[in-house]
Amino acid sequence: DAMVIQNPRYQVTQFGKPVTLSCSQTLNHNVMYWYQQKSSQAPKLLFHYYDKDFNNEADTPDNFQSRRPNTSFCFLDIRSPGLGDAAMYLCATSSGHSYEQYFGPGTRLTVT
Amino acid sequence: GEDVEQSLFLSVREGDSSVINCTYTDSSSTYLYWYKQEPGAGLQLLTYIFSNMDMKQDQRLTVLLNKKDKHLSLRIADTQTGDSAIYFCAELTGGGNKLTFGTGTQLKVEL
Repeated sequence: DAMVIQNPRYQVTQFGKPVTLSCSQTLNHNVMYWYQQKSSQAPKLLFHYYDKDFNNEADTPDNFQSRRPNTSFCFLDIRSPGLGDAAMYLCATSSGHSYEQYFGPGTRLTVT
Repeated sequence: GEDVEQSLFLSVREGDSSVINCTYTDSSSTYLYWYKQEPGAGLQLLTYIFSNMDMKQDQRLTVLLNKKDKHLSLRIADTQTGDSAIYFCAELTGGGNKLTFGTGTQLKVEL
């Protein structure tokens, strides 16, 4: 009964090689979020989509982009990954009328 | 500011109560949350409290909110080994869609 699904769970990419992480949801929630969580740190919001409206956090590097082709799917694109981008990337969803965010299991990204 | 602070570690014996504390600085936060993260996993929403409440109880969990002091706590009664995890408090800011997380408290439950 997975509700927020992230694929892959583990991703290895090379320095500078573009990588895409994916998130899908079966909750029909209209808001989807991407968080970055570095080792032993708190999750930090990168951006979110409210329906089709993209909302970028002010301190999110330009290297990070996102796409939401439909309600169910959201992608995180890292154009030129650096060693400092190695982290767990967490996708979350919420209904616009609810203050509860539901998280996926995360994708752990390694940059070599 | 929007810094949310927690102590890093807490160790308790199985069967005892655990109390995890959190301080926040954004007085405009409407909701405050507690999430649990097990190793290598995502975040599991445990409970949340609206800012006009001062207490919420949900089975073994009790949340206390002192809005004057911007202090939030999570009490886990009868702590079990399965409760071992990192616990994050979070506040809802940024107009209602941004969660700002605390630094996390690692709870270790010993037999």
